[in-house]
Amino acid sequence: GEDVEQSLFLSVREGDSSVINCTYTDSSSTYLYWYKQEPGAGLQLLTYIFSNMDMKQDQRLTVLLNKKDKHLSLRIADTQTGDSAIYFCAERAGNTPLVFGKGTRLSVIA
Amino acid sequence: EPEVTQTPSHQVTQMGQEVILRCVPISNHLYFYWYRQILGQKVEFLVSFYNNEISEKSEIFDDQFSVERPDGSNFTLKIRSTKLEDSAMYFCAGSLGGNTGELFFGEGSRLTVL
Repeated sequence: GEDVEQSLFLSVREGDSSVINCTYTDSSSTYLYWYKQEPGAGLQLLTYIFSNMDMKQDQRLTVLLNKKDKHLSLRIADTQTGDSAIYFCAERAGNTPLVFGKGTRLSVIA
Repeated sequence: EPEVTQTPSHQVTQMGQEVILRCVPISNHLYFYWYRQILGQKVEFLVSFYNNEISEKSEIFDDQFSVERPDGSNFTLKIRSTKLEDSAMYFCAGSLGGNTGELFFGEGSRLTVL
């Protein structure tokens, strides 16, 4: 079945850029998503990208999609301590349910 | 801002007991979902619900599981006879549908089966 893989941990210094990477297996994915989970909270949609795009920028967030390699990344510019959270990559093909990765725990060091 | 609320936030139960997890989705949402995350594992799809019936379910969602939307607001997940391996965080989500399929998640209910 479909699979989404992410590294589990990332640690960066405040002010640096963070890059969280994700790979997926489903070549028919139509939408790819980044969700953020802060401690004690639910999953919050950060951004998404349609599969015919290769980049999307939204303020400090840049999403890059390499469809050939099935690789998705989320770059957070000027990372702040408030960005510390777990970031989930997810993909969907058509109207199928979201398939999530395990999540990457981002720790921001002041 | 409207939000999805889930209760209880944490439930501890004995193996074999029935558990009901409750969710109040955002009122104008049409599609409802349950996902779960076993500690250290991926967030896994359990079931989707639309128009008062199950629209899709995963292999995890066996006969021990059931969902209901009894009164048009609450959306419940029942586990009939809990097993140790049911211990997980259970997330409820809802969406309006449409192509982008943005899901709005609750904070989760942590279930611990002893």
